Amino acid sequence: RKEVEQDPGPFNVPEGATVAFNCTYSNSASQSFFWYRQDCRKEPKLLMSVYSSGNEDGRFTAQLNRASQYISLLIRDSKLSDSATYLCVVNRGAAGNKLTFGGGTRVLVKP
Amino acid sequence: DGGITQSPKYLFRKEGQNVTLSCEQNLNHDAMYWYRQDPGQGLRLIYYSQIVNDFQKGDIAEGYSVSREKKESFPLTVTSAQKNPTAFYLCASSMDTRNQPQHFGDGTRLSIL
Repeated sequence: RKEVEQDPGPFNVPEGATVAFNCTYSNSASQSFFWYRQDCRKEPKLLMSVYSSGNEDGRFTAQLNRASQYISLLIRDSKLSDSATYLCVVNRGAAGNKLTFGGGTRVLVKP
Repeated sequence: DGGITQSPKYLFRKEGQNVTLSCEQNLNHDAMYWYRQDPGQGLRLIYYSQIVNDFQKGDIAEGYSVSREKKESFPLTVTSAQKNPTAFYLCASSMDTRNQPQHFGDGTRLSIL
């Protein structure tokens, strides 16, 4: 089993719709969780950190479920510019700040 | 502007040649990292450094070497021992405490001639 698993998609989303997708992780010692956005042939950029209580940043909402070991990302009122690959990132729980990256979920927002 | 600068943007390697990728940051971050990304795949950790003059192997260190002589700089050398070097190489940095996000440079694309 991969340490961080994501549905690769693509999720084809009409503009203005809501899309949600999950990521599962296998290391129960993981302490921190992040969503990054990566555009084609570009570097990953931090979208948001994920906190135990869940958090929201504008149209983006992230949730963490420690019992079932998954995190989710929901995008409301999708924009064409939201088209990207979303990377689920989990720390390894050991000393230092090593992260494990999922393979990404591709989202395509269409007019 | 504060950030992470990688150079060159594109690099070509001949057979048997070593090449060095540059990574400089002015964020005053203690920790720096090198990743490799292959098409359609996630990032894999090559090497990381939590402090000057110290670094550790990541998950795929074979065929690579690094140095950390200055806090701001963490160059990666792709040696001739790395038989499949074609990839997108990403450098990142973070504050050295746990649970911190990492911030990335804009990457170097390495190809074999």
